[in-house]
Amino acid sequence: DAGVTQSPTHLIKTRGQHVTLRCSPISGHKSVSWYQQVLGQGPQFIFQYYEKEERGRGNFPDRFSARQFPNYSSELNVNALLLGDSALYLCASSLTLANYGYTFGSGTRLTVV
Amino acid sequence: QKEVEQNSGPLSVPEGAIASLNCTYSDRVSQSFFWYRQYSGKSPELIMSIYSNGDKEDGRFTAQLNKASQYVSLLIRDSQPSDSATYLCAVREDTGNQFYFGTGTSLTVIP
Repeated sequence: DAGVTQSPTHLIKTRGQHVTLRCSPISGHKSVSWYQQVLGQGPQFIFQYYEKEERGRGNFPDRFSARQFPNYSSELNVNALLLGDSALYLCASSLTLANYGYTFGSGTRLTVV
Repeated sequence: QKEVEQNSGPLSVPEGAIASLNCTYSDRVSQSFFWYRQYSGKSPELIMSIYSNGDKEDGRFTAQLNKASQYVSLLIRDSQPSDSATYLCAVREDTGNQFYFGTGTSLTVIP
């Protein structure tokens, strides 16, 4: 079974640009959550989607948005990139809305210059 | 805003020793607790989950939970160099589904 798949693995963007990160959950998993991990910190919750609906949003500005598709894959979009958006973006997959331990993807390393 | 606090370390133990990692949390109603291991440059992987007071053992790992003291710990017995990583404590709130992570404790097992 394929695990949680994220693309791209690495990305370099310029301040002010827009970025789209993609995630495919484990087969059969209907919930996808996004986390941001800045170097030296623990992951911080950005969004959770379940059955294509937003079920939770963390304390991030409106520049961050996401959506989930009918096949349960998900995109995270970040507009007007800032240097502080440089981080590892993690996608987590779970079977149901109630999380009993995420399975994380390998992440997308975003560098904003 | 829930707070999850961990000693950042680094914690160094000799090979074969017991490593003890600690975590405190601020929210008394949190019910689900998790330990993740994260190797440098990699994503976190789930090691243990614990939901009830007491101890839960899985191989060389034991999680301990004391809800009255708002304290959860992870013991690693017979530590191996391959256990060298950052260990993240996570708490799941009951009214929502997000996890709150601590900043992690860096563990180095010295051969």
